[in-house]
Amino acid sequence: SQELEQSPQSLIVQEGKNLTINCTSSKTLYGLYWYKQKYGEGLIFLMMLQKGGEEKSHEKITAKLDEKKQQSSLHITASQPSHAGIYLCGADAGSEKLVFGKGTKLTVNP
Amino acid sequence: NAGVTQTPKFQVLKTGQSMTLQCAQDMNHNSMYWYRQDPGMGLRLIYYSASEGTTDKGEVPNGYNVSRLNKREFSLRLESAAPSQTSVYFCASRVRGPSNEQFFGPGTRLTVL
Repeated sequence: SQELEQSPQSLIVQEGKNLTINCTSSKTLYGLYWYKQKYGEGLIFLMMLQKGGEEKSHEKITAKLDEKKQQSSLHITASQPSHAGIYLCGADAGSEKLVFGKGTKLTVNP
Repeated sequence: NAGVTQTPKFQVLKTGQSMTLQCAQDMNHNSMYWYRQDPGMGLRLIYYSASEGTTDKGEVPNGYNVSRLNKREFSLRLESAAPSQTSVYFCASRVRGPSNEQFFGPGTRLTVL
């Protein structure tokens, strides 16, 4: 079965700093999803990547899928307190199922 | 559109009690899902329904049953709650087929004493 490993598990940064979260798959990725979760709330969809080498951006968040389609990174530029939360990557695992990583908890200190 | 709604938001049960978590979506999605989220474990799939009339087990189905009542509604039942089922439960839905994101409900926080 497919597994997604996220690193780091948690991250504390100072406001204004850049940061990167990684998601590594045990199998080739055919659809990679990034979600953000604020404490006590549901998951908010950020971006989806499909093609090797693909890169998407939304505001100050950029996600990339490597050429081999086994790793994705999420990069935040000039972090703000509003970026704080848990970031999860998810992947299509066949038969309408998605598998998720364990999440990266981001704290941004003002 | 309300998206994906879940009831209740919070629930406390005693060991052995039963309850049903309700989920509804108004986006005309074919596929619906139930996950549980525990600290350090991420999201784990309990059951899913790829279309109306079908349900399949996920990663952690033991102790749970589901019903896909119609296209809109997908309920999760705990027949005899155990402390190990203390968790946050999320319902999700999506358009059938790959490369379609899942939309999540706000979650139900369940405590079993």
